[in-house]
Amino acid sequence: EVQLVESGGGLVKPGGSLRLSCAASGFTFNSYSMNWVRQASGKGLEWVSSINPSGSRIYYADSVKGRFTISRDNARNSLNLQMNSLRVEDTAVYYCARDRGGSYSGNDYWGRGTLVTVSA
Amino acid sequence: DIQMTQSPSSLSASVGDRVTITCRASQSVTTYLNWYQQKPGKAPKLLIYAASSLQSGVPSRFSGSGSGTDFTLTISSLQPEDFATYCCQQTYITPYTFGQGTDLEVK
Repeated sequence: EVQLVESGGGLVKPGGSLRLSCAASGFTFNSYSMNWVRQASGKGLEWVSSINPSGSRIYYADSVKGRFTISRDNARNSLNLQMNSLRVEDTAVYYCARDRGGSYSGNDYWGRGTLVTVSA
Repeated sequence: DIQMTQSPSSLSASVGDRVTITCRASQSVTTYLNWYQQKPGKAPKLLIYAASSLQSGVPSRFSGSGSGTDFTLTISSLQPEDFATYCCQQTYITPYTFGQGTDLEVK
């Protein structure tokens, strides 16, 4: 069974840092691109970042570029998101999601999410 | 960035109804279009990928169509468990933008 479990969320002051992790199991992790997607309370989904299976291709939303860093450890089946210079508007539930692979994307498995709250 | 606009923003319907939700892209995304269902407090669930391909395990009452800039999600006969929020996402080019969502409510 595919499982994605996020951790690392919490309360942080503006300008602070957090590191999110996503533990993957039940599939061959190093064969899939992975994504972070966030959702502020009562708002829609916002794609944050993607990383290909080898980690050689990485993409970011403009809203986080230069502040967030996505990485993966294929030996440990984990996906990470280092978040620096956090802003109030980064407050959201952060989901780890697997790209289904193939020619067309789409996130077929999601974690339950971890809440990040940025507040003074 | 490609903007994804859904209509309507909310919709009231009854069990057994046929429902259609529309998603329009600000430029062509060919068929790189996905549909998700999300229930309160839960992660999204992939329903349709590549505009019209049904994700494994999703009931056949869900279908998708369209290409280029105009897409539709159709639920042929609403079931009680289908009342949720639906959103589209383009994966043609980063940033992989989502629509704002359509809330499907009980009439």
